[in-house]
Amino acid sequence: DGGITQSPKYLFRKEGQNVTLSCEQNLNHDAMYWYRQDPGQGLRLIYYSQIVNDFQKGDIAEGYSVSREKKESFPLTVTSAQKNPTAFYLCASFRDRGTGELFFGEGSRLTVL
Amino acid sequence: GESVGLHLPTLSVQEGDNSIINCAYSNSASDYFIWYKQESGKGPQFIIDIRSNMDKRQGQRVTVLLNKTVKHLSLQIAATQPGDSAVYFCAEKKGNTPLVFGKGTRLSVIA
Repeated sequence: DGGITQSPKYLFRKEGQNVTLSCEQNLNHDAMYWYRQDPGQGLRLIYYSQIVNDFQKGDIAEGYSVSREKKESFPLTVTSAQKNPTAFYLCASFRDRGTGELFFGEGSRLTVL
Repeated sequence: GESVGLHLPTLSVQEGDNSIINCAYSNSASDYFIWYKQESGKGPQFIIDIRSNMDKRQGQRVTVLLNKTVKHLSLQIAATQPGDSAVYFCAEKKGNTPLVFGKGTRLSVIA
């Protein structure tokens, strides 16, 4: 079945370490997105990519980096520059069928120890 | 600024009753409005969408109403079931720009 796979589901990090969250999709979608969700809050856009080898900053890009070398993959690196990285991270891809429907992965929960 | 630990608005309904979840959007030029359902620890799932040139759209047990005059969107769930308990987000989209999500409402169904 087609879908979006995020890994790992849970990740623990020590302060000062970079970590990379994986996002892979086999839906043949062009656009991919990374959102951050804090407890009891909505989704905030970190980075997005509408085509391979191109990406744009979202509302809260500071302390994060991405790459889009392949259509299927859009990894997110949480760097040590991110002051408050503990959060739930969601990856999504976009199916352009004339609406705004995003397909989401199951999320990755990052905890900084 | 960001409010850490901000509690989501909560709607509690009795099983079998109808639920109405409201959302105020910001961009009068948005093309589409979408409702998502997010269960605990999972990614959001698409429920229903509506184009900006429509006032109402119905799905299975759900209806979305759009009032462009007051920039208001609502999601009605008929005969609410325990499985409907989740956080519901509205989102708006204009052209090729990313979705903008609302804050969310937590729906609790009382059996």
